[in-house]
Amino acid sequence: NAGVTQTPKFQVLKTGQSMTLQCAQDMNHEYMSWYRQDPGMGLRLIHYSVGAGITDQGEVPNGYNVSRSTTEDFPLRLLSAAPSQTSVYFCASSYGDRGDSPLHFGNGTRLTVT
Amino acid sequence: GNSVTQMEGPVTLSEEAFLTINCTYTATGYPSLFWYVQYPGEGLQLLLKATKADDKGSNKGFEATYRKETTSFHLEKGSVQVSDSAVYFCGGGGTSYGKLTFGQGTILTVHP
Repeated sequence: NAGVTQTPKFQVLKTGQSMTLQCAQDMNHEYMSWYRQDPGMGLRLIHYSVGAGITDQGEVPNGYNVSRSTTEDFPLRLLSAAPSQTSVYFCASSYGDRGDSPLHFGNGTRLTVT
Repeated sequence: GNSVTQMEGPVTLSEEAFLTINCTYTATGYPSLFWYVQYPGEGLQLLLKATKADDKGSNKGFEATYRKETTSFHLEKGSVQVSDSAVYFCGGGGTSYGKLTFGQGTILTVHP
């Protein structure tokens, strides 16, 4: 059972560089989301998707793009990295459209922007 | 919008001590409530949940009761172990789409 797989685990970027954080799930979950985790801030929702071809913004979407071409994959793109984007990023998925559906998380990507 | 407030941490306890981590929520209606745990270097894992008022979620000796009158979902454990050392997050479900709102997390350290 792979669950939610994130790559890479660690990444260092220079300001202005671009990169894509990968996320894949093998549970046939309709709903996928990206969170960032910062000290003292908990987890904040960046973008989410309710199914292939459908995405929407969360609480802190600026500087990030997403797309959902398949049910399995939900990549997060940083077009021009900034030091403020230094964080730990988590991808998550869930199976239902009810508020009681728990999230399944990947192990995270630790990103440092210098 | 919805919000979740957790007690400030970190919390340091000796093994076998009693644990309480407070969590209160503000929401329209009565969302499902969750506790997640994050061990070092890992993602969050669901610890327990409650979907309606007076529900009690429990797992691995942890418990939390959904109190509508106080809008609270405090996490408790009667006797903590060193292996319980982790970060604990309280979360409230939105109307749909897996959009949980999380508290800021509480770091728990248990010493032998």
